[in-house]
Amino acid sequence: DVKVTQSSRYLVKRTGEKVFLECVQDMDHENMFWYRQDPGLGLRLIYFSYDVKMKEKGDIPEGYSVSREKKERFSLILESASTNQTSMYLCASSLNRDPRRSQPQHFGDGTRLSIL
Amino acid sequence: EDKVVQSPLSLVVHEGDTVTLNCSYEVTNFRSLLWYKQEKKAPTFLFMLTSSGIEKKSGRLSSILDKKELFSILNITATQTGDSAVYLCAGPLEYGNKLVFGAGTILRVKS
Repeated sequence: DVKVTQSSRYLVKRTGEKVFLECVQDMDHENMFWYRQDPGLGLRLIYFSYDVKMKEKGDIPEGYSVSREKKERFSLILESASTNQTSMYLCASSLNRDPRRSQPQHFGDGTRLSIL
Repeated sequence: EDKVVQSPLSLVVHEGDTVTLNCSYEVTNFRSLLWYKQEKKAPTFLFMLTSSGIEKKSGRLSSILDKKELFSILNITATQTGDSAVYLCAGPLEYGNKLVFGAGTILRVKS
């Protein structure tokens, strides 16, 4: 069964802190994604990765960075947390980047991050 | 610009009612459309639709795609309180299996 695990369900941090959100998948998927979800705005893509050490910006990368040192792990980093980054963060993975194949993404349970 | 628009934004029904959720899309080089259900945690995958006019069914849920009119519907019959959730619609972008999501429909089923 597909499993995407995010390290924390709830996290409270202070403005200016460096924040790390971790995500691990056990399906040997090539693609991994970080989204944030806000009421009325749906899911918005922050960053994604097709392979180890590969990363590409999504729609809202400002204030974030990512790291993918191992295939199964994709980390989201808030370099200097700000209150407007308070949100639900969702990690997802999918099998591979073959554009001929449509594939569902599988999501973790999310991290609800509050920046005070 | 690729986009997915869902309607209604929210809906309240009584147990036993049938509901229809709508999703329209403008996605370059369309390949498929996906439906997810999100309760308190992770969105869970429901359906992936690639062919027009072919209904996909899972229990009381069904979905169909109209490629000509660029929309999809998700039907839920004999609703139960456990169907209360946010229903998300998404379309893959051409490059790299990225998805563009609609804002979601919040469904509340009252007992």
